[in-house]
Amino acid sequence: GESVGLHLPTLSVQEGDNSIINCAYSNSASDYFIWYKQESGKGPQFIIDIRSNMDKRQGQRVTVLLNKTVKHLSLQIAATQPGDSAVYFCAETGGYQKVTFGIGTKLQVIP
Amino acid sequence: NAGVMQNPRHLVRRRGQEARLRCSPMKGHSHVYWYRQLPEEGLKFMVYLQKENIIDESGMPKERFSAEFPKEGPSILRIQQVVRGDSAAYFCASSPGTAYTEETQYFGPGTRLLVL
Repeated sequence: GESVGLHLPTLSVQEGDNSIINCAYSNSASDYFIWYKQESGKGPQFIIDIRSNMDKRQGQRVTVLLNKTVKHLSLQIAATQPGDSAVYFCAETGGYQKVTFGIGTKLQVIP
Repeated sequence: NAGVMQNPRHLVRRRGQEARLRCSPMKGHSHVYWYRQLPEEGLKFMVYLQKENIIDESGMPKERFSAEFPKEGPSILRIQQVVRGDSAAYFCASSPGTAYTEETQYFGPGTRLLVL
């Protein structure tokens, strides 16, 4: 069936290091991908998005890479900070408003 | 520029009671979505609404759950005769509904429903 999943449920990184959070999707019709950050007790916060006609997009300290061949998405966070500690969700939509979320990866930043 | 507003933030109900969750979208947004999240899980789509119209309710349980987005006022997610399994965080999101940016959804802080 159609699904979006994450490889690692928990990721621990040292403050200052780079973080890479991975996501696999199975719906080949997906054409828009979003990364959300959710801190404890809060709603998901939009981080960065990418459309299927791109393979890389950069924001402030974050980069999203899309590999459509293997249906893989990753979020790279440069110089990880304690404030980056949260659960990160990848989400996808196939040209329609219904967004499918992955399980999430918990990022723990070690001071 | 207020974001998506949800109230109440926390709601406690006893089994059999009704729960009403409210969502005010961001200013200028005409599309509203409701999601449900269980602890340590991702968000599950429930329903997608535009003003006075339900566009997609494929994620809504067939019974006890309903949603509306009237011409005036907030969107309401209504759960009748709540059961303990309804305990979860319910998130609302909104999007502009324009040709390009409509797919980016912005989330509210959620309503945590606890059924005793």
